[in-house]
Amino acid sequence: GQNIDQPTEMTATEGAIVQINCTYQTSGFNGLFWYQQHAGEAPTFLSYNVLDGLEEKGRFSSFLSRSKGYSYLLLKELQMKDSASYLCAVRRTGGFKTIFGAGTRLFVKA
Amino acid sequence: DVKVTQSSRYLVKRTGEKVFLECVQDMDHENMFWYRQDPGLGLRLIYFSYDVKMKEKGDIPEGYSVSREKKERFSLILESASTNQTSMYLCASRNWRSSYEQYFGPGTRLTVT
Repeated sequence: GQNIDQPTEMTATEGAIVQINCTYQTSGFNGLFWYQQHAGEAPTFLSYNVLDGLEEKGRFSSFLSRSKGYSYLLLKELQMKDSASYLCAVRRTGGFKTIFGAGTRLFVKA
Repeated sequence: DVKVTQSSRYLVKRTGEKVFLECVQDMDHENMFWYRQDPGLGLRLIYFSYDVKMKEKGDIPEGYSVSREKKERFSLILESASTNQTSMYLCASRNWRSSYEQYFGPGTRLTVT
């Protein structure tokens, strides 16, 4: 089967660090994406991991463990504008399809 | 900047109507996708096209069809709209040679009454 699980909602404080987890079970794996989606807007690309380990890009980092079917997105120095949904998505082998999780709504409070 | 545009942000149609959703991208991308996004379900793939005149069914194609006559344009057609097709529809494109990420349009919120 195919399944991507991530928490529905999280709340964190401005200036803090938050980790959004994603676990997946898919038939074939060829990389994992994180997208950010503000309410009423299009998803925008944040990161892509295909090998195990941590990828850092400014305040955002993404980690992947293929053996555990696990990834996380780490947001540092949280800002109010980081309030958004964060979508975990897996690219499958042998085709063009990407499977998306339901998304995690992050609320950043002052 | 890659730009993906969709013909309408909001659309209200009646049950049984034929509905056309248009998507245009300006970056010469080969691949284009149509998703619907519903609360708690995430993005689900309806159809995708890997090149002009090529199309493949996604995970939920029932009740939909698509057309890709030109590289920059990918149309989603609801042959006979039903209330369970009320949703947010997102189009995306991708250049499979140089990157894997998809670029999304702003979405069309379709309400079928």
